[in-house]
Amino acid sequence: SYDLTQPPSVSVSPGQTASITCSGDKLEDRYVCWYQQKPGQSPVVVIYQDAKRPSGIPERFSGSNSGNIATLTIRGTQAMDEADYYCQSWDSNTVVFGGGTTLTVL
Amino acid sequence: EVQLVESGGGLVQPGGSLRLSCAASGFTFSSYLMHWVRQAPGKGPVWVSRIRSDESSAMYADSVKGRFTISRDNANNTLYLQMSSLRVDDTAVYYCAREGHLTGEGFEMWGRGTMVTVSS
Repeated sequence: SYDLTQPPSVSVSPGQTASITCSGDKLEDRYVCWYQQKPGQSPVVVIYQDAKRPSGIPERFSGSNSGNIATLTIRGTQAMDEADYYCQSWDSNTVVFGGGTTLTVL
Repeated sequence: EVQLVESGGGLVQPGGSLRLSCAASGFTFSSYLMHWVRQAPGKGPVWVSRIRSDESSAMYADSVKGRFTISRDNANNTLYLQMSSLRVDDTAVYYCAREGHLTGEGFEMWGRGTMVTVSS
């Protein structure tokens, strides 16, 4: 099976840049999506196809995917960005999620 | 309104069965690949199953293969998950999710989920 690995937690000061990584074998050969989930809510896609933002997602969210690592970057992080973030990709017609990263804005 | 609404969750004993439903509205349900994703309390999402738009070719996670069956009724805009031989570790919120048409578009729409608790 294919595994995606994320750091359990990332902390950032308001206004600074947060980077959340997702690692997997030859990940650059697969598309990666990123989801934001706040307590008691369903996940929301913030990045798809490695680097595209759905309509309604702020420009401060961006993504990249190179080598074995995909990265979600949040520039000018705001308090409202505090949430759990999950990467997701595909493996032989099945779907794989990373274990998730809790982003703390303090 | 464009939405997915899950139902059918509840408390069931180990070894029991449950059927989840997901009612779709506001979009052409029959043209989308649909998935079930579950999330145990305090854990991350885990993919469970998917079914193609034409009701063919279902896929399952190894953890549920042989116990769960995904199906859909395009005439009534409803997705189903028949769960049997339920185990304590099947306890989770179960979400239905719509995958975008483009390759790599991901789960562009999620329902609010329905809680399944497997306990004696």
